[in-house]
Amino acid sequence: GQNIDQPTEMTATEGAIVQINCTYQTSGFNGLFWYQQHAGEAPTFLSYNVLDGLEEKGRFSSFLSRSKGYSYLLLKELQMKDSASYLCAVRDNAGNMLTFGGGTRLMVKP
Amino acid sequence: DAGVTQSPTHLIKTRGQQVTLRCSPISGHKSVSWYQQVLGQGPQFIFQYYEKEERGRGNFPDRFSARQFPNYSSELNVNALLLGDSALYLCASSQSGGGTDTQYFGPGTRLTVL
Repeated sequence: GQNIDQPTEMTATEGAIVQINCTYQTSGFNGLFWYQQHAGEAPTFLSYNVLDGLEEKGRFSSFLSRSKGYSYLLLKELQMKDSASYLCAVRDNAGNMLTFGGGTRLMVKP
Repeated sequence: DAGVTQSPTHLIKTRGQQVTLRCSPISGHKSVSWYQQVLGQGPQFIFQYYEKEERGRGNFPDRFSARQFPNYSSELNVNALLLGDSALYLCASSQSGGGTDTQYFGPGTRLTVL
């Protein structure tokens, strides 16, 4: 089975940097995804890691350590529009399914 | 290019009824996956289809069924609705559903069971 843990809520200030952590315990692993989800909307793809290390994409970066079962999403230069839920998801070996964590609700304050 | 589309947007049903939700994948994508998202939680995997064949099934009762058509669109059916089936139902499409594919989500269908 798969178990994905991430904090329920975080608060940060506009212009700051925030790191959202995700730990996982899985029977199989074929990549870790981060999605952003605004209230009432569909998740939108942010990043994908399958090898250890940091992937950078503009203001967003994602890190993976497979040996530690750990990932984080780093958001820089926070904007009010970044207020959303951030979902960590692990794909199984067969590539058939994503197992999601409960999501981290990020509130960006002025 | 159009993204993943789902219909209807919202749906209200009563306990015991049946519901059919529809999904059209991104053009060129051959795999469709269905997820259930209860308010305040992450999505839970229900099914994955590729080339009209079921490739994966999550931990959901037999009341849930799905199929994929030759044009790669898909339907999710839920029979004998329960109050607990109230959720956002998300469809995601990917090119083949495996390997390094990324799943892209549609806007979802919000189902309310009264």
